[in-house]
Amino acid sequence: QKEVEQDPGPLSVPEGAIVSLNCTYSNSAFQYFMWYRQYSRKGPELLMYTYSSGNKEDGRFTAQVDKSSKYISLFIRDSQPSDSATYLCAMKQGAQKLVFGQGTRLTINP
Amino acid sequence: SAVISQKPSRDICQRGTSLTIQCQVDSQVTMMFWYRQQPGQSLTLIATANQGSEATYESGFVIDKFPISRPNLTFSTLTVSNMSPEDSSIYLCSGQNNEQFFGPGTRLTVL
Repeated sequence: QKEVEQDPGPLSVPEGAIVSLNCTYSNSAFQYFMWYRQYSRKGPELLMYTYSSGNKEDGRFTAQVDKSSKYISLFIRDSQPSDSATYLCAMKQGAQKLVFGQGTRLTINP
Repeated sequence: SAVISQKPSRDICQRGTSLTIQCQVDSQVTMMFWYRQQPGQSLTLIATANQGSEATYESGFVIDKFPISRPNLTFSTLTVSNMSPEDSSIYLCSGQNNEQFFGPGTRLTVL
């Protein structure tokens, strides 16, 4: 079993839809949770960074962490074609290395 | 967050040759890392570049194949040595203070 599981998709939704991206993990010691967005032929870009359980909102994006269920989510409201990208979850324990999910390829159709 | 640049952005190389990739950060960072990403795949950590000392390699990666230098807090190089077609991949430099951020990547094709 992988430490971090992420459905690779692909996921295709119409413009304006609410998108839900999810990851599950097995290591209860993970403390820091991140979402990266990667456009084709570009490096990953940090989108959201959260510590411990709860919600964090930034514009149209909401990151949610449920440590009791070992489950994190990224919600995108009012999705736009420019949101089309691969979304990678990542997490770590303290100063340990980042552990990445497989990435979900998302397409927003105009 | 800091901005990372990498050189070259892409290259096509012959089998048996070596390529050195440069990574420059526009401000000092505590940690620097090198990753490999196959098309459509997630990121695999190659090593942590330590300033002034030998890099720390992950399982499956060795110094003879991927020598790394980090002479200061803003610069690092990764060399891919004695290349084979299996080394064709995207190589990403990453820096970290609190948050971890990435360079644009170097797309390497080995013929």
